[in-house]
Amino acid sequence: AQKITQTQPGMFVQEKEAVTLDCTYDTSDPSYGLFWYKQPSSGEMIFLIYQGSYDQQNATEGRYSLNFQKARKSANLVISASQLGDSAMYFCAMREGVGAGSYQLTFGKGTKLSVIP
Amino acid sequence: ETGVTQTPRHLVMGMTNKKSLKCEQHLGHNAMYWYKQSAKKPLELMFVYSLEERVENNSVPSRFSPECPNSSHLFLHLHTLQPEDSALYLCASSQGTTGREQFFGPGTRLTVL
Repeated sequence: AQKITQTQPGMFVQEKEAVTLDCTYDTSDPSYGLFWYKQPSSGEMIFLIYQGSYDQQNATEGRYSLNFQKARKSANLVISASQLGDSAMYFCAMREGVGAGSYQLTFGKGTKLSVIP
Repeated sequence: ETGVTQTPRHLVMGMTNKKSLKCEQHLGHNAMYWYKQSAKKPLELMFVYSLEERVENNSVPSRFSPECPNSSHLFLHLHTLQPEDSALYLCASSQGTTGREQFFGPGTRLTVL
């Protein structure tokens, strides 16, 4: 089974509107971290937001928020007030465990977001 | 320079060539990573170095040879590659291997002819 599933290969959103990018994950480890990265056409992976499995509140970073539903094992990214510069690939990733050896990030296949003027 | 830099940004090589990819991080981190990103596939972790010691080699073929001379530099030496090795190779760094986010460089787009 895939550890990270992103079911939307591509999404379109009107400029200034909000958009939700879906991510579900699969782990039996009680300690894990969830990440979202943005990859513009230039190639660089840009860290956006992090959610720890024990965090009580949903993470927020500026226009980015993470809708963390632990029981459903979902960690959707919400981008508010979309901008043209938000057009990019978005990857959800997970790190399982917190001790030594828990460095590996497992990535989903990504969602291509296109913002329409 | 800030963040994580990678050179070259683009590389075209024949199957008999030997080339090296370079990564440098200016963040004071002590862990560095090589990832491979192929079309329509998730990122694949190749190698992990922590405090200049290799801690992970994810069943990567021996035609890829990493080198970490110090905590700021990471190389990926390439020899006798195959066309299926064409991909975007991303370097990343973090503070410790259990740190939160990894910071990525812009990648090297490799084409093997």
